[in-house]
Amino acid sequence: GENVEQHPSTLSVQEGDSAVIKCTYSDSASNYFPWYKQELGKRPQLIIDIRSNVGEKKDQRIAVTLNKTAKHFSLHITETQPEDSAVYFCAALPGGATNKLIFGTGTLLAVQP
Amino acid sequence: ETGVTQTPRHLVMGMTNKKSLKCEQHLGHNAMYWYKQSAKKPLELMFVYNFKEQTENNSVPSRFSPECPNSSHLFLHLHTLQPEDSALYLCASSQPVGTRDEQFFGPGTRLTVL
Repeated sequence: GENVEQHPSTLSVQEGDSAVIKCTYSDSASNYFPWYKQELGKRPQLIIDIRSNVGEKKDQRIAVTLNKTAKHFSLHITETQPEDSAVYFCAALPGGATNKLIFGTGTLLAVQP
Repeated sequence: ETGVTQTPRHLVMGMTNKKSLKCEQHLGHNAMYWYKQSAKKPLELMFVYNFKEQTENNSVPSRFSPECPNSSHLFLHLHTLQPEDSALYLCASSQPVGTRDEQFFGPGTRLTVL
């Protein structure tokens, strides 16, 4: 079955710097890759997603890139702000008729003011 | 408010108790999910329901029993749990498979098993 690995597990950056979180997946048929943000004590919320027919997607300060050949995708946050501090989870949806998302282990991002 | 609510928000129970978690979604979705979130572990999918039918059971012990009476409500019945079952239990909903795949999460129930 699908397996998703996420790195790093923790990331500390200075306010204004960029942050990059990387994920790899094992199932080449996976076709949907969402990123969720979970602030302390709150529910996970979708921040951006990408489908396998697209290489890059951008939404203001966040972007996601997908390399299907290498089976990895990354989240990029530019001009980080303290409110970006949270745990970020990547996920992959295997191919076929399923809605069973496989999540990575999460990255705790701390943005230092 | 994402439209997915869960009750109770916190629950403490003994190993011999029976309790139930409730999830309700007001988004018109037809797929609902139970996840377990433990410290330093990925979100673990437990069960998936599509149009009230269970389509995934991720090898969950029988002491967890889900129930989906309609597309808006999902329950997780708990009995004879173990301390290692202490975790945050998250409910989510989405459009069914093959359509928009974004999952909307509820706030979770923080469960402590003594």
